[in-house]
Amino acid sequence: AQSVTQPDIHITVSEGASLELRCNYSYGATPYLFWYVQSPGQGLQLLLKYFSGDTLVQGIKGFEAEFKRSQSSFNLRKPSVHWSDAAEYFCAVVPYSSASKIIFGSGTRLSIRP
Amino acid sequence: NAGVMQNPRHLVRRRGQEARLRCSPMKGHSHVYWYRQLPEEGLKFMVYLQKENIIDESGMPKERFSAEFPKEGPSILRIQQVVRGDSAAYFCASSLNAGDVTDTQYFGPGTRLTVL
Repeated sequence: AQSVTQPDIHITVSEGASLELRCNYSYGATPYLFWYVQSPGQGLQLLLKYFSGDTLVQGIKGFEAEFKRSQSSFNLRKPSVHWSDAAEYFCAVVPYSSASKIIFGSGTRLSIRP
Repeated sequence: NAGVMQNPRHLVRRRGQEARLRCSPMKGHSHVYWYRQLPEEGLKFMVYLQKENIIDESGMPKERFSAEFPKEGPSILRIQQVVRGDSAAYFCASSLNAGDVTDTQYFGPGTRLTVL
């Protein structure tokens, strides 16, 4: 079955430390890949997306993600987190055959330690 | 340019009542998507609509749920005879084009439905 897996439910990092959030997908072909952020009580904001080309994608707010086909992964990274980065992060895919349906992972909650 | 608008932001219903959730897409967008987020879970696709047409309702529960996007006015997600398991956040998204995954879906702030 097609799926998106975020193995970490909750991560806590210190302010100023680096961050990596994991995401794995299971699809036959290379899907379209996304990372969204959801602040408490808010909707989702698109951080970045990968469709093709350079496997290292730059997004907003200093985030980047790297697509690794061999590992079926699309991990999100940030060199130095800020307290305002505390939020829920969702990895998502759109299967190549369907442009209308975004499939979301279960999310990783990020807490920032002062 | 206003973003995707959803109202109400919070809705409380008793079991057996009807819930109506409204979504106004971004200006110029004619494609609307509804997603449901159960507590501690990610968003799950429910339905995709264009003006006056349901394109993909593969994620909609078979009973009690319906959606429409009329020629004029907002898109409506209707839940009849609500049950406690319907308690969730319901998000609407809109996009400019369809059939093109490169066209970003923009999300609204959500409606949080609580069923007592």
